[in-house]
Amino acid sequence: EAAVTQSPRNKVTVTGGNVTLSCRQTNSHNYMYWYRQDTGHGLRLIHYSYGAGNLQIGDVPDGYKATRTTQEDFFLLLELASPSQTSLYFCASSEVGGGYAEQFFGPGTRLTVL
Amino acid sequence: GDQVEQSPSALSLHEGTGSALRCNFTTTMRAVQWFRKNSRGSLINLFYLASGTKENGRLKSAFDSKERYSTLHIRDAQLEDSGTYFCAAPGGYKVVFGSGTRLLVSP
Repeated sequence: EAAVTQSPRNKVTVTGGNVTLSCRQTNSHNYMYWYRQDTGHGLRLIHYSYGAGNLQIGDVPDGYKATRTTQEDFFLLLELASPSQTSLYFCASSEVGGGYAEQFFGPGTRLTVL
Repeated sequence: GDQVEQSPSALSLHEGTGSALRCNFTTTMRAVQWFRKNSRGSLINLFYLASGTKENGRLKSAFDSKERYSTLHIRDAQLEDSGTYFCAAPGGYKVVFGSGTRLLVSP
């Protein structure tokens, strides 16, 4: 059974729309991450968290908020979506941070902002 | 600057052949992870190495932290191996990804 799940898998919204992407992990991991993946850029870190209630800023945080409500659940919020945020979003979890442990990824959410 | 340089950016193979992907690091990394993004867009974990080599079926990966590189070898390529392959390595508080290698395996 998948240990990192994301919802929705696909989402279309309009410029200025409000979007929430959800991620749940059942690995009992402390760290969770949100990345976006665009052609030619690999994966870029948006936000991450090392526990419930914690939030750390990644490399490309502008236009994104995130909230870690429990150890299992990490949400990415786009309050005023823009076409530049059209991308493939991945959530991941790891037992510890900084690359000391393997990261496990969810199946991805494809977001289109018209 | 970029900490992870991945090459080639694109690769075409015929079924049954093989090749190697490479990631060079600008600093000493403590580990490397390799992924494949399949046609459905999902990221599949391939390897996590802190040193040495690992092999899984037709895939083999090596990591040399001192020489600052990692390789992923594919042998006897199959159509289902097509996809984009990423390496990733720790960069301070986070993991830094290479830009990916798009592999196309054709009959």
